[in-house]
Amino acid sequence: DIQMTQSPSSLSASVGDRVTITCRASQDISNYLAWFQQKPGEAPKSLIYGASSLHSGVPSKFSGSGSGTDFTLTISSLQSEDFATYYCQQYSHLPRTFGPGTKVEIK
Amino acid sequence: EVQLVESGGGLIQPGGSLRLSCAASGFTVSSNYMSWVRQAPGKGLEWVSVIYSGGATSYIDSVKGRFTISRDNSRNTLYLQMNTLRAEDTAVYYCAREIPDFSGYQNMRDWGQGTLVTVSS
Repeated sequence: DIQMTQSPSSLSASVGDRVTITCRASQDISNYLAWFQQKPGEAPKSLIYGASSLHSGVPSKFSGSGSGTDFTLTISSLQSEDFATYYCQQYSHLPRTFGPGTKVEIK
Repeated sequence: EVQLVESGGGLIQPGGSLRLSCAASGFTVSSNYMSWVRQAPGKGLEWVSVIYSGGATSYIDSVKGRFTISRDNSRNTLYLQMNTLRAEDTAVYYCAREIPDFSGYQNMRDWGQGTLVTVSS
């Protein structure tokens, strides 16, 4: 199985900050990488697929990059509604595997 | 508008069975890949199973032989039959609709609100 890791596991940031989360796959997954946002008590929300393509309706402050084994999610200017846990997931191979999550908290 | 509504969760004793349902609207279940993803209390997301539009299925190793994913085209509903349940199956179970990316690889796009399964005596 492909192992996904994320760093950091949590971070504290202020409104307006630029935030970057890193995701690494244990083997080459090309660009078959998705990002999800989850707020407490809610279902995950799909943000990005194909490593860098935003799903419709996702604001452009979110961006993704990377290919192969190393990927990043960037939030350009953090707003109050962005405080949540973010997960990466590879969909290159079965079983699909998620990273452990990065919790973005208010400083 | 795409909507997914899960139901069927509850408290069940170890060794018991439960069937989860995911009623879909706004699209045709049989034309899409559909997945189940679970989340144990306070933990991360774990993919459980997928059913392809052609009907083939796949499972994570820990549920193989115990869980069965299926769909009812007439009801536009996805199911997860869970047998021989264990304490470690305790989780919120989400269904998700998948869509193809530019390469045709399927990725999760829409999610239901989840249904809680608690396996405990």
